[in-house]
Order: sequence, then C-alpha cells, then structure tokens
Amino acid sequence: NAGVTQTPKFRILKIGQSMTLQCAQDMNHNYMYWYRQDPGMGLKLIYYSVGAGITDKGEVPNGYNVSRSTTEDFPLRLELAAPSQTSVYFCASIEAGGLGEQYFGPGTRLTVT
Amino acid sequence: DAKTTQPTSMDCAEGRAANLPCNHSTISGNEYVYWYRQIHSQGPQYIIHGLKNNETNEMASLIITEDRKSSTLILPHATLRDTAVYYCIVRGGGGSNYKLTFGKGTLLTVNP
Repeated sequence: NAGVTQTPKFRILKIGQSMTLQCAQDMNHNYMYWYRQDPGMGLKLIYYSVGAGITDKGEVPNGYNVSRSTTEDFPLRLELAAPSQTSVYFCASIEAGGLGEQYFGPGTRLTVT
Repeated sequence: DAKTTQPTSMDCAEGRAANLPCNHSTISGNEYVYWYRQIHSQGPQYIIHGLKNNETNEMASLIITEDRKSSTLILPHATLRDTAVYYCIVRGGGGSNYKLTFGKGTLLTVNP
C-alpha cells in the first residue's frame, strides 16, 4: 500500500490564484481529513469526510472547498488564494469504526505571495 | 473532546527513558487518550492509544492514572531520531467522526 499520498509537495501561488491540493489513499478508508499547520502551531482541521458524497466543515473552513466523489480521493480547493493561507497542508484517513491509527500524508507546503 | 495540557519542551539523554506527561482532567468516560508525534515537518505519526488500562507496543508505553485525569508516554530507550513534537490528544469513542484536535504538543529533544 502507498498509504496516503499528496500532491504537489510544494507550491507558490500569487494572491487571487486558485489551486487544488490532491489527496488519495489506497486503504479503503471511509474517513478522510484535511488539516493545516501554521509555523510553531498544532494542526487545525479544515474539512473532513465520512464517506463518498459526504463532507463537513472543521475549525477553519473559510477560503476552502472540498469534494468526495470516490472513497479514494479527497481534493482540497483554494479559490482565491490569500497570504493567510500560507501553511503546510496535511491529508489524513482512518477506517470507519477505527479507534487506532489515523494515517497522515507527507504534506503540501503552500506559499501565497 | 476534552482539552489536554502538556509541557512546552523537555530534554532527554540518548539511551535513557523519556517520560512525557499529559493532563486531561476533563476527560469523560468514553474518551480515549492518543499520542502522536511529528518529526521536523513530516506528517504526524501515530504512537499509541488507550482508554483506561496501560498499553505497550513496539514504540512506547502509555500509563494512564486510575482517575484517568493524566497520562504519561514512555519511550524506554530514547534515540536521537525520537527528537520530535509529541501530541497528547483526547478523542471520543464510537459514534464520533474520529477527528483529532491538536494542541501545541511537547518538543522532546534527545541529546547525545
């Protein structure tokens, strides 16, 4: 298994540009998450999904959108990039009913200038 | 989910046991204690979790007090590669969405 994969690893955006951060998992997990981590801080939940076609907001959803058309993929969309969205973005997944490990991807480092 | 309190930083000598404390005085009966760590800027890595009994795996041991208001993560023989930020997280059990709430964690520095 590849686990949780994220692309791209790094990206620089200009203010107002849009982009999609990709996340995929091959473990057939129902639950998927997007977090962001600002320098020196813990992770904050942006959006999560409990299955294909079902998404919900986390702590910091403003400026982002998500979709979940398949079990495997959970892309995060930034429509109008702002400097406040400069951060490292992590995707994660866990199996339904799982009380064990939440698997994290390697992260996408995004800079908005 | 209950809030947790951890020291900001700790040091440990290589080869010695690292004992990382966590307070979670408002934990409720169906909430689990989880520990994750984050090495440099990598994605967080699961270490261990428990409800009320002590737990051990190949990475660490988790000691939860009888009243469940605090816990200690023990790395029995710390190595330089264990230098990381360690997060103690309390999370609800069945019926929840399993999301994790991260604080700032404890920066553990293992010194040669």
